[in-house]
Amino acid sequence: AIQMTQSPSSLSASVGDRVTITCRASQGIRNDLGWYQQKPGNGPKVLIYDASSLQSGVPSRFSGSGSGTEFTLTISSLQPEDFATYYCLQDHNYPRTFGQGTKVEIK
Amino acid sequence: EVQLLESGGGLVQPGGSLRLSCAASGFTFSSYAMTWVRQAPGKGLEWVSDISGSGGSTYYADSVKGRFTFSRDNSENTLYLQMNSLRVEDTAIYYCAKSRSGLGTTFDHWGQGTLVIVSS
Repeated sequence: AIQMTQSPSSLSASVGDRVTITCRASQGIRNDLGWYQQKPGNGPKVLIYDASSLQSGVPSRFSGSGSGTEFTLTISSLQPEDFATYYCLQDHNYPRTFGQGTKVEIK
Repeated sequence: EVQLLESGGGLVQPGGSLRLSCAASGFTFSSYAMTWVRQAPGKGLEWVSDISGSGGSTYYADSVKGRFTFSRDNSENTLYLQMNSLRVEDTAIYYCAKSRSGLGTTFDHWGQGTLVIVSS
C-alpha cells in the first residue's frame, strides 16, 4: 500500500498567516491527490482535487500543488474559520490511503 | 442539493454483526461511485471500501476484507455496509461519501456519520 506521510502533525498560527502543509507519497502517484478539511463534529469537506484543482465553493486562499511524490496545501491568509484538521488522500490506487492529519490551531 | 444520511450505528458485542445504511438524494445515484470512510475516536481518517456506480466492482481495506460487504440498491438510492465478525478496533464513526465520478476519484460530498461501538 502507498504510505502518505503528512507534516507537520500540528501547527499553531495566527489569523492572516500563510500556512503550508505537506504530504509525501511512498511512490509516485502522478497528481492523484485530494485535500480535505475536517472540523470537530463534522464530516470532512473536500478542498482540492487532482492535486491542484480547487473544489467549487472553496475560497481561493486555499491552493494545492505538486505531483509525483510531494504535495503541498497552502492557505494564503489564515481565517478564523480555517482552524481545523487537514488530511491528504491518494486516489492513485487501492487501498486508498490518508495522511495522518494536520491540526491547525490558533496561536 | 446532495444529501447523504447514514444510519444503523450502535453498540454491538465483539464478534457480532451490524448493517449500516446511507440514503442518498440530490444526484443521479447510479452514476457515481461511493465510499465508506471511518474515524476511530480521536484518530485520523481511514478508508474502508469503495463501490462502483453499478455495484459491480468493490474494493476493501485489508483491515475489513472478508468481514465487511459493501453493496448498493440503485432503485432505492441507498448504500449498505454489512459488518460481520466485528472487533473492538472497528469502533469508529462511519461516513459515507460520494465520488466526483467513477472509482478512484475525489470524494466531493460526505454524510455526518454514524457511530459504531464494539464493546462487551
